Amino acid sequence: AQSVAQPEDQVNVAEGNPLTVKCTYSVSGNPYLFWYVQYPNRGLQFLLKYITGDNLVKGSYGFEAEFNKSQTSFHLKKPSALVSDSALYFCAVVIPDKLIFGTGTRLQVFP
Amino acid sequence: DGGITQSPKYLFRKEGQNVTLSCEQNLNHDAMYWYRQDPGQGLRLIYYSQIVNDFQKGDIAEGYSVSREKKESFPLTVTSAQKNPTAFYLCASSIWPEDEQYFGPGTRLTVT
Repeated sequence: AQSVAQPEDQVNVAEGNPLTVKCTYSVSGNPYLFWYVQYPNRGLQFLLKYITGDNLVKGSYGFEAEFNKSQTSFHLKKPSALVSDSALYFCAVVIPDKLIFGTGTRLQVFP
Repeated sequence: DGGITQSPKYLFRKEGQNVTLSCEQNLNHDAMYWYRQDPGQGLRLIYYSQIVNDFQKGDIAEGYSVSREKKESFPLTVTSAQKNPTAFYLCASSIWPEDEQYFGPGTRLTVT
């Protein structure tokens, strides 16, 4: 079955430290992968996407993600976390005609 | 939240009543989507539409209905047949299905 998994419900990191939010996928063919962020009581905002090309994708607000085909992963990263990065992060993968979303990872950045 | 509006932001209804959630976009997108978000479950697809006058069921369509009479509008009706309607509902649109989706601010529905 085609799916996307976010193995961590919550990630805690100190401000200024690097952060990683993990995502793995299971789809047939070449995947189209996305990261979104959601602030409380708001809709999702697009961060970045991978379709083809360079395995390191740069996105909004200093975030980047690394596509790893052999490990079927698409982890979200940022070199230096900010308190304002605290939010709910969703990984998503395209299947025909639609996206399927992971269950989300809550990122908490402590001052 | 881009060019997608959802109204109202908060909605309260009594059990047994149908309720319609509004979603309008001015992005000229062909594809539109409705999701339901519950704590710990991520987003689940209710219905989607790739073109006017056509729509398909998503993963949890039971108890919901939609229409797509205009490109800009994709209203969702939560019927009395939906057993657990209390949730946060999100509407989204995209240029085509494989592209990034733009989300509205959401409607929080509470049914008592």
